[in-house]
Amino acid sequence: EVQLVESGGGLVQPGGSLRLSCAASGFTFSNSWMAWVRQAPGKGLEWVANIKQDGIDKNYVDSVKGRFTISRDNAKNSLFLQMNSLRADDTAVYYCSRDTDGILDYWGQGMLVTVSS
Amino acid sequence: QAVLTQPASLSASPGASASLTCTLRSGINFGPFGINWYQHRPGGPPQFLLRYKSDSDQQQGSGVPSRFSAYKDASANAGILLISGLQSEDEADYYCMIWHISAWVFGGGTKLTVL
Repeated sequence: EVQLVESGGGLVQPGGSLRLSCAASGFTFSNSWMAWVRQAPGKGLEWVANIKQDGIDKNYVDSVKGRFTISRDNAKNSLFLQMNSLRADDTAVYYCSRDTDGILDYWGQGMLVTVSS
Repeated sequence: QAVLTQPASLSASPGASASLTCTLRSGINFGPFGINWYQHRPGGPPQFLLRYKSDSDQQQGSGVPSRFSAYKDASANAGILLISGLQSEDEADYYCMIWHISAWVFGGGTKLTVL
């Protein structure tokens, strides 16, 4: 059974940093593109970033470029999102997702990140 | 103008059909991966419903009933998610998504109410 479990969320002050983790199991992690998607309160889904199997090819939504870094550890079946210079509008539930040939087919339960003073 | 535009809300009766529209901005096509549709109920993660690339190339999500289908309205440059035989459990937010200039782009979502 495919499982994706996010951790590392919480409350952080504006300008602060946070690192999200996603533990993957039930599939060959090293064979899959992975992605982060978020949903701000009362808003729709927004794709944040994705990363290729080898960890080299990465893409980001414009609003997080230069502040967020997606990475992975294939040996530990883990996906990460390092978030720096956090702003109030980064407040959201962050989902980890597997990208299979252009389909986000499995999702974690989500992790709330709140940016507030 | 947004890349993908969806009506904010739609209401329909149980047993009826609902057509949810995702309009692409002029000049944009479905891209290499087609258009994906997701269902998102409150309190849980989004669920992949199906992907439409062409009438002959569609992919249904695992466990997704056949009463969910998709097609393209070429004249309107839009993707359509059709839900037939509406049930109360279909009440949710629905999002379309395409790959556009090295990024996944979601539509704003349509809140479907079944009443």
